[in-house]
Amino acid sequence: AQSVTQPDIHITVSEGASLELRCNYSYGATPYLFWYVQSPGQGLQLLLKYFSGDTLVQGIKGFEAEFKRSQSSFNLRKPSVHWSDAAEYFCAVGAVKAAGNKLTFGGGTRVLVKP
Amino acid sequence: DAMVIQNPRYQVTQFGKPVTLSCSQTLNHNVMYWYQQKSSQAPKLLFHYYDKDFNNEADTPDNFQSRRPNTSFCFLDIRSPGLGDAAMYLCATSRTVSGANVLTFGAGSRLTVL
Repeated sequence: AQSVTQPDIHITVSEGASLELRCNYSYGATPYLFWYVQSPGQGLQLLLKYFSGDTLVQGIKGFEAEFKRSQSSFNLRKPSVHWSDAAEYFCAVGAVKAAGNKLTFGGGTRVLVKP
Repeated sequence: DAMVIQNPRYQVTQFGKPVTLSCSQTLNHNVMYWYQQKSSQAPKLLFHYYDKDFNNEADTPDNFQSRRPNTSFCFLDIRSPGLGDAAMYLCATSRTVSGANVLTFGAGSRLTVL
């Protein structure tokens, strides 16, 4: 069974500083990897996804993530954080079960942005 | 804009009083999912429909049921809510069940149990 670990529960970053969120996955085959963002009281919005090809993927809102097979990681980065980036971020791995799309989420990382 | 709409956004119920949450979609997606998200936790899949085929997760309590009368609508029924069922309930859709499919989420329904 697949699993996702986000080692950092909370991260505080100053506005304008860079941000990196860690994600490690466990899956027996080539994974489908996602990052979702959840603003307070809202649903989840897709930031970016990796299926194959170039291991550096670009997403919305200036985010990017790099797939490293050797490290089983899919870390999310943003060069310069804006106050509106304060939210919870979830890494997820997708796999096909016999009965459907099993999207497994990590525990999430809450990002606080200081002025 | 095509989207996933959940109603109500906030629901307060009493211990043991049945509640129904609704989800509608204009994306014409084949798959609809219900996730439960407790405070500061990851969303947990309860079940999903692929067209009319219902797929229950093994650890979903019997207290939770779902109905999908047509492509556009899906309902989550909680027959006898307990205090532990207080959570955000997220509806999501996808075109197919491939692991490569992106899920589109609604804004969620927050359930409070008194």
